[in-house]
Amino acid sequence: GNSVTQMEGPVTLSEEAFLTINCTYTATGYPSLFWYVQYPGEGLQLLLKATKADDKGSNKGFEATYRKETTSFHLEKGSVQVSDSAVYFCALEGTYKYIFGTGTRLKVLA
Amino acid sequence: NAGVTQTPKFQVLKTGQSMTLQCAQDMNHEYMSWYRQDPGMGLRLIHYSVGAGITDQGEVPNGYNVSRSTTEDFPLRLLSAAPSQTSVYFCASSYGTGEDTEAFFGQGTRLTVV
Repeated sequence: GNSVTQMEGPVTLSEEAFLTINCTYTATGYPSLFWYVQYPGEGLQLLLKATKADDKGSNKGFEATYRKETTSFHLEKGSVQVSDSAVYFCALEGTYKYIFGTGTRLKVLA
Repeated sequence: NAGVTQTPKFQVLKTGQSMTLQCAQDMNHEYMSWYRQDPGMGLRLIHYSVGAGITDQGEVPNGYNVSRSTTEDFPLRLLSAAPSQTSVYFCASSYGTGEDTEAFFGQGTRLTVV
């Protein structure tokens, strides 16, 4: 069945550091891929998405590229801020069902 | 725009009690689902619905019932609460599939079973 694997956290970075959170997936066909973000005490919000191979999703300085050959969708940001501290979830959608990774907690220190 | 509304936000139950978590969406989305979030396990799908009158089981359905009598509402029922059901529950609604889809989440219900 479909599954998503993402790097375990927590990830602790200094402000303005480069961020990478790895995500790989297993799926039949070519699902749409997503990154969702969860701030403390809140629900999940869509951060970015990509719907086909080689698409790049981007939002708020975050980027991720849909790599079919490596079945990956790694999240990157060139310069993180304290306000980026949150839990990040990689997900895929297959026939109406969303499958999520375990989440990666990011803590950014001033 | 209300989006996806879950009630209550917090609940404490005793083992064996039953309760219903409410979920409503005002975006006319066909698809709705319930997840539970546990530390180190991400979000796991409990039940989902592809339209009014149609529901199906997800990854962890045992101990939970759902129904979908209207497009807007998708309540989750705990029949006899157990400590293993202590978790944060999220309801989501989504549109489409494939290249045109996005899921929207409620704020969550934190449930403690003692």
